[in-house]
Amino acid sequence: GQSLEQPSEVTAVEGAIVQINCTYQTSGFYGLSWYQQHDGGAPTFLSYNALDGLEETGRFSSFLSRSDSYGYLLLQELQMKDSASYFCAVRDSNFNKFYFGSGTKLNVKP
Amino acid sequence: ETGVTQTPRHLVMGMTNKKSLKCEQHLGHNAMYWYKQSAKKPLELMFVYSLEERVENNSVPSRFSPECPNSSHLFLHLHTLQPEDSALYLCASSQSPMDRGLFHGANVLTFGAGSRLTVL
Repeated sequence: GQSLEQPSEVTAVEGAIVQINCTYQTSGFYGLSWYQQHDGGAPTFLSYNALDGLEETGRFSSFLSRSDSYGYLLLQELQMKDSASYFCAVRDSNFNKFYFGSGTKLNVKP
Repeated sequence: ETGVTQTPRHLVMGMTNKKSLKCEQHLGHNAMYWYKQSAKKPLELMFVYSLEERVENNSVPSRFSPECPNSSHLFLHLHTLQPEDSALYLCASSQSPMDRGLFHGANVLTFGAGSRLTVL
């Protein structure tokens, strides 16, 4: 089966850096994605890693190590608007199935 | 309209009612998905339609019935639901991942705002 583990909640202050980890187990693997969801809103795509290494998009970076079945999302220069839930997701090779973790609630404090 | 649109945004129904959720995408995608989001739980994949084929999560009860008349529209028909079915139902779309492997567009889901369902 598929399972993804991520911390349930993280708190950080404005301007800081925070890392949200994700470990996964899947029957196949086509990459790790990250989504952001504000309260009452829809999940929105942040980043995607198909290969090992770091992908950078502005203040957000995402890392993947396929040998360790591990990835993380790095948020720099935190802003209050970054307070949201962050989900990691994997697509496995079994047709078109995307599986999500339970989400990490990020609280950014002044 | 652009993106993925879901209606209704809120729905309250009794256990004996029959209702439907609607999803429409204007992105030219050819795969559409239904996810269930309950508090403190992972998003649960319910159904996938890709290139007009359906893939089911075998744990989804038969009181949920999907319909995909074309690549732009997706419905979720609901009947004789239970209170534990109360949740946020999210529709998403993507380029079909079939045979596209690491193609970026096949690995990006665009979600609608969701339909908040309450079963009394």
